[in-house]
Amino acid sequence: DAKTTQPPSMDCAEGRAANLPCNHSTISGNEYVYWYRQIHSQGPQYIIHGLKNNETNEMASLIITEDRKSSTLILPHATLRDTAVYYCIVRVAHPSGNTPLVFGKGTRLSVIA
Amino acid sequence: DTEVTQTPKHLVMGMTNKKSLKCEQHMGHRAMYWYKQKAKKPPELMFVYSYEKLSINESVPSRFSPECPNSSLLNLHLHALQPEDSALYLCASSQEGSGQGIADTQYFGPGTRLTVL
Repeated sequence: DAKTTQPPSMDCAEGRAANLPCNHSTISGNEYVYWYRQIHSQGPQYIIHGLKNNETNEMASLIITEDRKSSTLILPHATLRDTAVYYCIVRVAHPSGNTPLVFGKGTRLSVIA
Repeated sequence: DTEVTQTPKHLVMGMTNKKSLKCEQHMGHRAMYWYKQKAKKPPELMFVYSYEKLSINESVPSRFSPECPNSSLLNLHLHALQPEDSALYLCASSQEGSGQGIADTQYFGPGTRLTVL
């Protein structure tokens, strides 16, 4: 089961920052938070990941609270092409020792012109 | 290069057919994954291969048969499927596939859209 909770949907005006929240209150100390997005009928696209510190790359910024129980993905200047389902995922260990991604329901972000 | 390729892009098959889905990566990754995604639902994990050995089977029916011929290739053999098996089948790969406390990013292919008639 997914260890994260996200709002089912959000709207954002084009050109504005999109802030997507995620709760992961049961996260363990060495579990990473990953963000992916999926544009309609395409494969999920990796965005960013983090453990404790805030992270930034060319796509987005990830802000993780000090207690690590929640995080926010920030798309600084949303465009229409950012319309997608955004998944916040905490990678947890499977009994096999592997740590595959387990997807929750995600947030459907609609960027509006 | 973080490309995972999948063939075919689309597949239509009857319930008595046998077909295969193919996935390939050349990133030197040692873990490969199959996911199934129904319309308007999140991807669901089916199988994980780690170092060419099957390490996770999420209670998938035997009409789906995975195969990892080498570290770059992953196949999914399909036989006697049902119409409810129609879905987008996604392949992914990652460097290691295991180990907590390790950042092990999974990269996904574009998927194969399967329709079972």
